[in-house]
Amino acid sequence: AQSVTQLGSHVSVSEGALVLLRCNYSSSVPPYLFWYVQYPNQGLQLLLKYTTGATLVKGINGFEAEFKKSETSFHLTKPSAHMSDAAEYFCAVSSSRSASKIIFGSGTRLSIRP
Amino acid sequence: SAVISQKPSRDICQRGTSLTIQCQVDSQVTMMFWYRQQPGQSLTLIATANQGSEATYESGFVIDKFPISRPNLTFSTLTVSNMSPEDSSIYLCSVEGGGSNEQFFGPGTRLTVL
Repeated sequence: AQSVTQLGSHVSVSEGALVLLRCNYSSSVPPYLFWYVQYPNQGLQLLLKYTTGATLVKGINGFEAEFKKSETSFHLTKPSAHMSDAAEYFCAVSSSRSASKIIFGSGTRLSIRP
Repeated sequence: SAVISQKPSRDICQRGTSLTIQCQVDSQVTMMFWYRQQPGQSLTLIATANQGSEATYESGFVIDKFPISRPNLTFSTLTVSNMSPEDSSIYLCSVEGGGSNEQFFGPGTRLTVL
């Protein structure tokens, strides 16, 4: 069984500040991990993914995430927030052993203060 | 990545009626997925639709309420039957993106039931 926990349903940061969105996962097999972003009134867009190999994954729009197996975490960061980053962010997990569905976290709404 | 379109983009429906949502992909895919996103919530998988076979429904979703068609490798429909206000949600379709189980999402259909 797999699950995802996102800590903090709402995060607010100032423009130019560090963005940190937390995600912890549970998986009985090596996981595939994803971060998706949803802008208002739009579908989901893949930000980045971890499958195998390098544990620091870089995505679009300056975001990156680090897979830490010992901590079962996959936190999303961005060094400097822009106003355009305001959106809902979803962490998700899937199994690496077979074609399978994705399990989504509850989401974190990111607000950017001017 | 695949380009996915959905019709309608939004609709307002009366209680007791049914609505069929269409999902079109610009390339052939084996697996398509239908999700529900209730207001302020995360995504919940309704069913997985593979071409040439019956859709596989998740716990809590039944075919009589959410019949799905998958006539070919680029198209699928989801019908929300005998609607009630509790069915007011965003309905999203997605397609498999490759060997790492990632998915690409359509823009969603925003349904309001009065």
